Amino acid sequence: DGGITQSPKYLFRKEGQNVTLSCEQNLNHDAMYWYRQDPGQGLRLIYYSQIVNDFQKGDIAEGYSVSREKKESFPLTVTSAQKNPTAFYLCASKMATHEKLFFGSGTQLSVL
Amino acid sequence: RKEVEQDPGPFNVPEGATVAFNCTYSNSASQSFFWYRQDCRKEPKLLMSVYSSGNEDGRFTAQLNRASQYISLLIRDSKLSDSATYLCVVTDYSSASKIIFGSGTRLSIRP
Repeated sequence: DGGITQSPKYLFRKEGQNVTLSCEQNLNHDAMYWYRQDPGQGLRLIYYSQIVNDFQKGDIAEGYSVSREKKESFPLTVTSAQKNPTAFYLCASKMATHEKLFFGSGTQLSVL
Repeated sequence: RKEVEQDPGPFNVPEGATVAFNCTYSNSASQSFFWYRQDCRKEPKLLMSVYSSGNEDGRFTAQLNRASQYISLLIRDSKLSDSATYLCVVTDYSSASKIIFGSGTRLSIRP
C-alpha cells in the first residue's frame, strides 16, 4: 500500500545531541513538508521541499536541518541548537498538481 | 499577527446541535483553503476543501469570504464522533507549496 512512513514513533534526545527523524513516501509525490506540533497547538511549518535537491525554510526553521537527496525521502535533523525540541513532529507530502496533503503518523520527540 | 487565526475553543455542545467555527487569514493573495480534522495525537486528515461559492458535504458546510478574509465551517446534527480538533489551512500564494495551518479549534460533543 502507498503511504508515508515516519520513524521512529518515539524518540528521546539527550542534551547537546543531534537526532534525525525519518520520513519516506512511496506515493511519487513531489512536495514534502515537516511540521511541529506542541500540546494544544496547531501545526507550525519547519521546512518544505518542492523538488529534489531543493528546500525552503518555514516559519520555525532555526535549530533544524533537512535534505532532499531522493524524491522519496525528506529526513529532518533536530540539532543541539534547538533548545526546546520536545514536540510531535509530522511529515506530509502532496503532488505538485493536487492540494491534498497526506500525513505520516508522526514522531514524538522528548528530551531526557 | 498570525497568518491564520482560529478561536481555540473548546466548544462543548450537546449531540444534535449545530456548531460553527470561523478562521481568518492575513494574506489577501492566499490561494486555496481547507478544513482538516485531527484526533488526539493522530495525524490531521482532510475534511473538505473550501470554495468561494460555498460547498457542502453531508452535515458539513464550508464557506469562504474573500472580502473579509475568513472561512467558516458549519456542522449540523453533531455526532459524538465529531469530537476532534478542526484545523483551518491556507495555501500561500507567493509559494504555492507553502501550506499554513491554524492553531485549531477543539470541539467536544456531549451525549
